[in-house]
Amino acid sequence: DIVMTQTPLSSPVSLGQPASISCRSSQSLVHSDGNIYLSWLQQRPGQPPRLLIYKISNRFSGVPDRFSGSGAGTDFTLKISRVQADDVGVYYCMQGTQLPWTFGQGTKVEIK
Amino acid sequence: EVQLVESGGGLVQPGGSLRLSCAASGFTFSNYDMHWVRQVTGKGLEWVSAIGTAGDTYYSDSVKGRFTISRENVKNSLYLQMNNLRAGDTAVYYCVRGVAGCDYWGQGTLVTVSS
Repeated sequence: DIVMTQTPLSSPVSLGQPASISCRSSQSLVHSDGNIYLSWLQQRPGQPPRLLIYKISNRFSGVPDRFSGSGAGTDFTLKISRVQADDVGVYYCMQGTQLPWTFGQGTKVEIK
Repeated sequence: EVQLVESGGGLVQPGGSLRLSCAASGFTFSNYDMHWVRQVTGKGLEWVSAIGTAGDTYYSDSVKGRFTISRENVKNSLYLQMNNLRAGDTAVYYCVRGVAGCDYWGQGTLVTVSS
């Protein structure tokens, strides 16, 4: 199975400041179709996970442009340009290239 | 609007069975692979099972031989038959639409295995 490792596991951020989360995969995420199925999910307290970013850098429908994804190879990053109160929650990276899907441990973003 | 609504969770004794259902709407259900992902309260996400558009099925090692995923396209429904349940299966179970990655998630249904 592909192991997904996130850092940090906790990220206290002041309102309006940027936040960055890293994710590393234990092996290449290149699918046989040439795509890299690396996604970022947001889980607000008491809510199910919600897709933010797919295929490394594509924002899903309705996701604010303060969220951005980047990366290549086995290293990927989620950035929030200016954290808002609404962004509090746990963020997961996820690989969908190969079954079983695997997820990072989660990074808790909280307001400092 | 895509909607996924799970049902069927509840309290069951170890060794017991439950059948989860997921009612899908707002998209052509038969065109999509579907997955079940679970989450122990306060913990991370764990992929459980998937079914392709052709009915091909896949399972995590932790549930293989005990859980069965199925779909009924005419009813736009996904199912998870869970047998020989263990305490470690206690979690919220999410129905997820996805092809090589997830997009829409249901609200989840809680399964509690306890005597």
